[in-house]
Amino acid sequence: DTEVTQTPKHLVMGMTNKKSLKCEQHMGHRAMYWYKQKAKKPPELMFVYSYEKLSINESVPSRFSPECPNSSLLNLHLHALQPEDSALYLCASSQPKGQLLTYEQYFGPGTRLTVT
Amino acid sequence: KQEVTQIPAALSVPEGENLVLNCSFTDSAIYNLQWFRQDPGKGLTSLLLIQSSQREQTSGRLNASLDKSSGRSTLYIAASQPGDSATYLCAPYRAIAGGTSYGKLTFGQGTILTVHP
Repeated sequence: DTEVTQTPKHLVMGMTNKKSLKCEQHMGHRAMYWYKQKAKKPPELMFVYSYEKLSINESVPSRFSPECPNSSLLNLHLHALQPEDSALYLCASSQPKGQLLTYEQYFGPGTRLTVT
Repeated sequence: KQEVTQIPAALSVPEGENLVLNCSFTDSAIYNLQWFRQDPGKGLTSLLLIQSSQREQTSGRLNASLDKSSGRSTLYIAASQPGDSATYLCAPYRAIAGGTSYGKLTFGQGTILTVHP
């Protein structure tokens, strides 16, 4: 099973709302990633978790708060977002496989976020 | 900072043609390079991964080559079909110094491919 799942598929929220995005993988991967993709642009890395610890924060505003409760689950908590935060949010996972360190990343289908 | 350029930005071809998509990157200290496909509004599907020690990787009608020293990769699509229409993204991967299990993918802007019947 090489599947990464994300919920919800679509989310519309007001600027004063608090919401969360969820990502799950059951491939035993120990690195998980959040990316943001604006329309007609490539994905941009936001956060990396490795072995459930935050390893990279690409200077993301604090209104985005990641959480990795266990090795299979990654959340992105959203609060006081701006309309310019509207985008496709992608989750990915990867895992070095013993001697064969492929680091291949597997992506989920994304959550389409609209901030009104 | 890694910069990735993909040429052409868009390509429209009739069905059956063999295609070449180009990718160049500025930092050759990469661990591997992935080619992805993205359909409109959807997530990314990994097509091929080439390790830095490899020169070529094949999957069905797709063949990707990598010349790490010159910072170039090419994706060949044989006998294109309308179902191949999508955006193709190239992404070299660099492991983070001191990190053993994670790193960064840097994406190019993509090539938008349209294959018409």
